[in-house]
Amino acid sequence: DAGVIQSPRHEVTEMGQEVTLRCKPISGHDYLFWYRQTMMRGLELLIYFNNNVPIDDSGMPEDRFSAKMPNASFSTLKIQPSEPRDSAVYFCASKSEGQGTPYGYTFGSGTRLTVV
Amino acid sequence: LAKTTQPISMDSYEGQEVNITCSHNNIATNDYITWYQQFPSQGPRFIIQGYKTKVTNEVASLFIPADRKSSTLSLPRVSLSDTAVYYCLVGSYTGRRALTFGSGTRLQVQP
Repeated sequence: DAGVIQSPRHEVTEMGQEVTLRCKPISGHDYLFWYRQTMMRGLELLIYFNNNVPIDDSGMPEDRFSAKMPNASFSTLKIQPSEPRDSAVYFCASKSEGQGTPYGYTFGSGTRLTVV
Repeated sequence: LAKTTQPISMDSYEGQEVNITCSHNNIATNDYITWYQQFPSQGPRFIIQGYKTKVTNEVASLFIPADRKSSTLSLPRVSLSDTAVYYCLVGSYTGRRALTFGSGTRLQVQP
């Protein structure tokens, strides 16, 4: 398995522009998570899905952020309009429900977003 | 949310055993303890998970005392490549408690 695949790896955009980050989870995994990491705030959980349904979006900073999961193999995180304070590394992770004990989950390599 | 407390940083030398302790006083009955490792410019990587007593895999050991209010990640004979940030998470299955990362412990291994 290729693991969790995120694109793009790097994104530089101007303030006010729309940004779309993409994630392909591991096949068969039924949970998908979006995290944001900055030096100041560390790793923050933004939103997670179970079987393509958003379960907890309480970490989404504000209405400028939205996430979708149209099918089991694809998710997007959109920021519109983007602001410099959105600059961070955004990680996607996926997890299988598993049997018995809860397993850890697998992270992608992240998208480094810079808003200028 | 289950609060975990870890040392901010630790230093070690190659070949030494490193023990990182995590305090989680309000752990619940159904909670598991999970440790992750993160290298610069990479996402966190699952290392080990346990519920009680001792768990060992090819990478590390996890020691959990009977009261489960703390846990210790043990890395045998570290190398330079073990320099990373280590996170302890506490929670059951996939609730928000299990998905919250603290500040982690930055381990620096010197030659």
